[in-house]
Amino acid sequence: GAVVSQHPSRVICKSGTSVKIECRSLDFQATTMFWYRQFPKQSLMLMATSNEGSKATYEQGVEKDKFLINHASLTLSTLTVTSAHPEDSSFYICSANRGNEQFFGPGTRLTVL
Amino acid sequence: AQSVTQLDSQVPVFEEAPVELRCNYSSSVSVYLFWYVQYPNQGLQLLLKYLSGSTLVKSINGFEAEFNKSQTSFHLRKPSVHISDTAEYFCAVLKAAGNKLTFGGGTRVLVKP
Repeated sequence: GAVVSQHPSRVICKSGTSVKIECRSLDFQATTMFWYRQFPKQSLMLMATSNEGSKATYEQGVEKDKFLINHASLTLSTLTVTSAHPEDSSFYICSANRGNEQFFGPGTRLTVL
Repeated sequence: AQSVTQLDSQVPVFEEAPVELRCNYSSSVSVYLFWYVQYPNQGLQLLLKYLSGSTLVKSINGFEAEFNKSQTSFHLRKPSVHISDTAEYFCAVLKAAGNKLTFGGGTRVLVKP
């Protein structure tokens, strides 16, 4: 099956700093990747759709200047949380599209102090 | 737009007992249907999916789900659960012509010995 990795799996940072999360499709090419955010005991909330070679498409209410997405290659998308604040603490999950199925990464837990 | 409702947020069940997780969806267009499982602090794993053909789909670990178009449902069942089935289960739909998943709120299954 298709494998998607995320790095780091956990990150703790100070308020005001920026954090970059990587999402890689290891054994297939993905022109489209997705970034989700999940709060404790809640469902996944789609933040944005990452398109290789073009700008990401953000969902309503998601600040594009705060959550910077770059999809520079067919196997890598990055999410940068800029000027992080404690309310940005969450579990961030990416997925990559292959055909009519999405394959999910293991998630990154971000804690902002 | 699509929506997905998982009627039960939490389902406690004894080991070796059957379990059913309910999922109803609404959509004005054809959709594909998915069940994902999430273990603590991990990403989502695909459990099973309905794309077309037989309305009863099965996973390798004993779960099955039946697509009922008239009732717009895709309930998940397992005749005998194990402790290891304790997890969060998410139902999701994908527009047949789209690439964005819409998730239900999730059902937490707690298997008791």
